[in-house]
Amino acid sequence: DIQMTQSPASLSASLGETVTIECRASEDIYNGLAWYQQKPGKSPQLLIYNANSLHTGVPSRFSGSGSGTQYSLKINSLQSEDVASYFCQQYYDYPPTFGAGTKLELK
Amino acid sequence: QVQLKESGPGLVQPSETLSLTCTVSGFSLTSYSVSWVRQPSGKGPEWMGRMWYDGDTAYNSALKSRLSISRDTSKNQVFLKMNSLQTDDTGTYYCTRDEDLWFAYWGQGTLVTVSS
Repeated sequence: DIQMTQSPASLSASLGETVTIECRASEDIYNGLAWYQQKPGKSPQLLIYNANSLHTGVPSRFSGSGSGTQYSLKINSLQSEDVASYFCQQYYDYPPTFGAGTKLELK
Repeated sequence: QVQLKESGPGLVQPSETLSLTCTVSGFSLTSYSVSWVRQPSGKGPEWMGRMWYDGDTAYNSALKSRLSISRDTSKNQVFLKMNSLQTDDTGTYYCTRDEDLWFAYWGQGTLVTVSS
């Protein structure tokens, strides 16, 4: 199985700040990557697919980039409603696998 | 709009079988695939298996020997059955509507606790 490693595991940032979360795959996943946001007590919600395509209704302050084994999720101008855990997921190979998550808190 | 809702017992005895139902609305099971994904508390999700729109199935090899996914298109329902449950099967179980190979829409989830 392809292993997905996220960093950092937790992150504290201020309102209005730009935040970047990294995800590394154990092998090349050819942009077969999605990002999800999970607010406390809620189900995950899709943010990004194909490494850099924004899902319908997701604010444009979220963006994804990367290639090969290295990918990142950037949040511009952090808002209070962005407090959540974020997960990456590869779907290039079976089984689809997720990272362990990054917990984002407000400073 | 797209909706998915999981239902099933909240508590299962060790070594018993888990049966869950995912009831969907706002789309057809013959047009979209549905996956089951589970998540232990405080950890990352784990994909369990998928009911393809054409009726085919795919399973995570780590669970394949214990897992079965089926559907009833007339009732807009997808079913999960997993046997020989152990305490590390405790977690929240979600069904998702898949878009290509990612998980575009998620149900609210159902918490399953394996305990005697």
